[in-house]
Amino acid sequence: SQKIEQNSEALNIQEGKTATLTCNYTNYSPAYLQWYRQDPGRGPVFLLLIRENEKEKRKERLKVTFDTTLKQSLFHITASQPADSATYLCAPRSYSGNTPLVFGKGTRLSVIA
Amino acid sequence: SAVISQKPSRDICQRGTSLTIQCQVDSQVTMMFWYRQQPGQSLTLIATANQGSEATYESGFVIDKFPISRPNLTFSTLTVSNMSPEDSSIYLCSVATSGGAGMSQYFGPGTRLLVL
Repeated sequence: SQKIEQNSEALNIQEGKTATLTCNYTNYSPAYLQWYRQDPGRGPVFLLLIRENEKEKRKERLKVTFDTTLKQSLFHITASQPADSATYLCAPRSYSGNTPLVFGKGTRLSVIA
Repeated sequence: SAVISQKPSRDICQRGTSLTIQCQVDSQVTMMFWYRQQPGQSLTLIATANQGSEATYESGFVIDKFPISRPNLTFSTLTVSNMSPEDSSIYLCSVATSGGAGMSQYFGPGTRLLVL
């Protein structure tokens, strides 16, 4: 069955450092992978999408990589700030593009000032 | 993108009662989904509600417990019927739009439900 694993439930880092979150998937052949941010008690907010033929995507302080050989995506936040503290969710999507997203459990990031 | 609102934002209900959650989108969308997020867990898909067809439920969810309406392309409701404390959760409406990068999915703010 399809499985999505995010490296850890919680990650604590010091302000100013780079946070790296990992998403591994099995039994998927995703055409692209999406990353979302979720704050407590709120719905997920779309951050970035990376396609299978893209190795890397950047948006301001965010960087996502996608390695279809390793079946892994890395999500980086550089120069992290306390405001980046949230749960980050990954969601790979296959070529059957009309199917809804299935999410990993997420990684709860805490940036400590 | 799509802007989604949900009503109510939260509610406290007695067991055995039912609650209907409304989802309103600011644009016409074909694909709409309902998710549940139990405390400390990730999102679980309840059903897909496309306008013009019956809702499709995921394994573990049934229409009698979670009836869904989709009367037009901007609105849907999810009812949580005969509630028990196990139904305490955040319920999220989500819509999908197609673009150059494929299908993007957007979420409402959620409805926080506590069943006593």
